[in-house]
Amino acid sequence: DGGITQSPKYLFRKEGQNVTLSCEQNLNHDAMYWYRQDPGQGLRLIYYSQIVNDFQKGDIAEGYSVSREKKESFPLTVTSAQKNPTAFYLCASSTRDNRGETQYFGPGTRLLVL
Amino acid sequence: GQQVMQIPQYQHVQEGEDFTTYCNSSTTLSNIQWYKQRPGGHPVFLIQLVKSGEVKKQKRLTFQFGEAKKNSSLHITATQTTDVGTYFCAGHKAAGNKLTFGGGTRVLVKP
Repeated sequence: DGGITQSPKYLFRKEGQNVTLSCEQNLNHDAMYWYRQDPGQGLRLIYYSQIVNDFQKGDIAEGYSVSREKKESFPLTVTSAQKNPTAFYLCASSTRDNRGETQYFGPGTRLLVL
Repeated sequence: GQQVMQIPQYQHVQEGEDFTTYCNSSTTLSNIQWYKQRPGGHPVFLIQLVKSGEVKKQKRLTFQFGEAKKNSSLHITATQTTDVGTYFCAGHKAAGNKLTFGGGTRVLVKP
């Protein structure tokens, strides 16, 4: 919330097409995350990155790829290998302070396959 | 792997009434966090609990962390229409470990 931007807000993909979702943060956070949320469901972790040039698979990484070349940016590519990509994609970043690790979410991107 | 479960999945509440939603982890947590997602919006951090048995209040919301640090609850008093949304709990198994979210409790308020 605040300082994290995601674009586009809505994205339409044709079958067999790769698409890239943007996530940018100016909060100087080290860690960034991608979640997928299906209608009426919770958040499932796709990929996360604790530091620049490093990232790890989450619980549902198949069909997705990421890069973390800059601290501010963590783009997510939904590849044609992801057979059911229609969902709400949320990016988050976090930092550790005296409260622990709090995640700040962007506004999300709604992806629809045509 | 670590699992975090929330009950109930749906909560229909009459405006003005109280209700409680529960969060249970399969493993001991180092901390528990609560987030609120308004319809069509994104999750927003509400609070974090760290100590065993800790209780924190935010106006009409009361959050509790269990003695064994494996469960938590959110109690809302005098529910208002502004309380509509999905409440997620999320926990860290250990410091530096990734955050695991529960499935959420979707709250609908009947005026």
